[in-house]
Amino acid sequence: GQQLNQSPQSMFIQEGEDVSMNCTSSSIFNTWLWYKQEPGEGPVLLIALYKAGELTSNGRLTAQFGITRKDSFLNISASIPSDVGIYFCAGRTGANSKLTFGKGITLSVRP
Amino acid sequence: SAVISQKPSRDICQRGTSLTIQCQVDSQVTMMFWYRQQPGQSLTLIATANQGSEATYESGFVIDKFPISRPNLTFSTLTVSNMSPEDSSIYLCSVGDGAGYTFGSGTRLTVV
Repeated sequence: GQQLNQSPQSMFIQEGEDVSMNCTSSSIFNTWLWYKQEPGEGPVLLIALYKAGELTSNGRLTAQFGITRKDSFLNISASIPSDVGIYFCAGRTGANSKLTFGKGITLSVRP
Repeated sequence: SAVISQKPSRDICQRGTSLTIQCQVDSQVTMMFWYRQQPGQSLTLIATANQGSEATYESGFVIDKFPISRPNLTFSTLTVSNMSPEDSSIYLCSVGDGAGYTFGSGTRLTVV
């Protein structure tokens, strides 16, 4: 089946640093989504990407839909302690198709 | 995006019993889904809740264990039946709306 690969499982950065997360797949996706999950909460949508090559920002977050449609990355600039959480990438192949999730990356930010 | 209210937020249940989780959406949505997130893991789709017809289950999930109701376009329930400790997980309701897919805050289930 379709799989999304996210690694490493955990990342540790210093407050103020930038961090980049990658998500890759062996299959083509038509939509890429990035979610953040905090303890005790459901995932919250950060950025949605709908077109190959698309680059979208949401505050300090920037994400890109890879040209091959098999990858996406998320950048967080000038990290702050509240950026701590699990970041999931997700993809879908069509408007009504189910989401496939990556395993997530746990981000820790040292003050 | 849609606002989802999921109840209960958490529960501790005895093995062999059943728990029904409710998902209420503040607007009518076509697509409604139920996910399971085991401790420290990613999200796994259990089923798509279809309004007016039987849910569509993913491989490894069956209706007898996870019966789902979807009486209208704003509400769905998931029942976890005959629970065992292996069912201890977070169960999440999700809806497809214009912005992507929105998730409820989840139900943290512990089976003892």
